Amino acid sequence: AQSVAQPEDQVNVAEGNPLTVKCTYSVSGNPYLFWYVQYPNRGLQFLLKYITGDNLVKGSYGFEAEFNKSQTSFHLKKPSALVSDSALYFCAVRDIRSSNTGKLIFGQGTTLQVKP
Amino acid sequence: EAQVTQNPRYLITVTGKKLTVTCSQNMNHEYMSWYRQDPGLGLRQIYYSMNVEVTDKGDVPEGYKVSRKEKRNFPLILESPSPNQTSLYFCASSFRDRSSYEQYFGPGTRLTVT
Repeated sequence: AQSVAQPEDQVNVAEGNPLTVKCTYSVSGNPYLFWYVQYPNRGLQFLLKYITGDNLVKGSYGFEAEFNKSQTSFHLKKPSALVSDSALYFCAVRDIRSSNTGKLIFGQGTTLQVKP
Repeated sequence: EAQVTQNPRYLITVTGKKLTVTCSQNMNHEYMSWYRQDPGLGLRQIYYSMNVEVTDKGDVPEGYKVSRKEKRNFPLILESPSPNQTSLYFCASSFRDRSSYEQYFGPGTRLTVT
């Protein structure tokens, strides 16, 4: 079965420091991977995706993610965290092999807390 | 502006009182779906629709119904809500055949069933 895991419930980082939010996946075939962010009382906003090509993908708000096939990981990174980055982050994989091609399988979510 | 809208945003109701949460998108997407978000569980798919008049169960469909009479609308119906359906609900849409495209999410509906 396809699955996504985010091993950390919460990540704390000081403003200006680099941040990493971890994600590992288990899928059959090539993965279509996504990161979404949820700010308080808001819906999910798309950050970035990996479909194919360069293993380092860049997204919105200065975020990037590194796809590592051998480690089945897709960690979200940012070189310098901002207090405004504090939010709930979800990693997801698209279930392209089933007939339900639009379905996203989500990780549990990681709360990022950036302190001034 | 491309968007997915949901109404209401907040709803408190009592056990057994039928309710409908509406969802509408303006991007001509074929695929629409409903998710519920619960702490520690991420988002789980309730129902989905590949196109007009084509709907199917997701991972947690019990207690829910949907319909897709028009391409832009995909309402979620709770015929007899129970407290275990207290959750945060999201509607999402995307193109059906372009798996590389991201899904767009509505702002969410926070439902409390007492």
